[in-house]
Amino acid sequence: DSGVTQTPKHLITATGQRVTLRCSPRSGDLSVYWYQQSLDQGLQFLIQYYNGEERAKGNILERFSAQQFPDLHSELNLSSLELGDSALYFCASSVVSGGEQYFGPGTRLTVT
Amino acid sequence: AQTVTQSQPEMSVQEAETVTLSCTYDTSENNYYLFWYKQPPSRQMILVIRQEAYKQQNATENRFSVNFQKAAKSFSLKISDSQLGDTAMYFCAFMTLSLVNRDDKIIFGKGTRLHILP
Repeated sequence: DSGVTQTPKHLITATGQRVTLRCSPRSGDLSVYWYQQSLDQGLQFLIQYYNGEERAKGNILERFSAQQFPDLHSELNLSSLELGDSALYFCASSVVSGGEQYFGPGTRLTVT
Repeated sequence: AQTVTQSQPEMSVQEAETVTLSCTYDTSENNYYLFWYKQPPSRQMILVIRQEAYKQQNATENRFSVNFQKAAKSFSLKISDSQLGDTAMYFCAFMTLSLVNRDDKIIFGKGTRLHILP
């Protein structure tokens, strides 16, 4: 158990819909990262927040957005969902940027 | 642009053998971090080892060690006395830390699938 929690574990939704994935970092960690892992693919870094502010942006689509709240939990919003958005979405946290990242168990999103 | 290359898509070794997974990267940055992550069939991502580029000493964690060659931009992972539980996908990752622009970069390689055979 890494100490990072993600909800929900599984999500099934239809094309065109919008979903929100939630992440609670380890206690004391200020940085939160979001990743997408499609079937049999490597990890694509989406976005990073540090203490409430956006720190780095990767290959995040315009249909996707995220934020980190004052209590440091983070949400990833995915809208106008397409079949290709089906993937495992990971959240990770670290104490500082560049620090060891601890990953949550992931949210498996299936778009039908 | 920064890139991370893992040239071995899949490897198999016998239990108790030593195996080395290769990783090369390309960057013009001088300060960065390198990581190896393990993803077993459960899909949980587990940090194996971390190396800071400014440190010359190679990182070691029990049976896992790295060979960090900064000039060659190489960061290989050695697993000694391999165990069945080491069977997993292994990802090499690279991260820059921009203190000025707040424009960190995080890049993962495509992974090496490692099978430990009984």
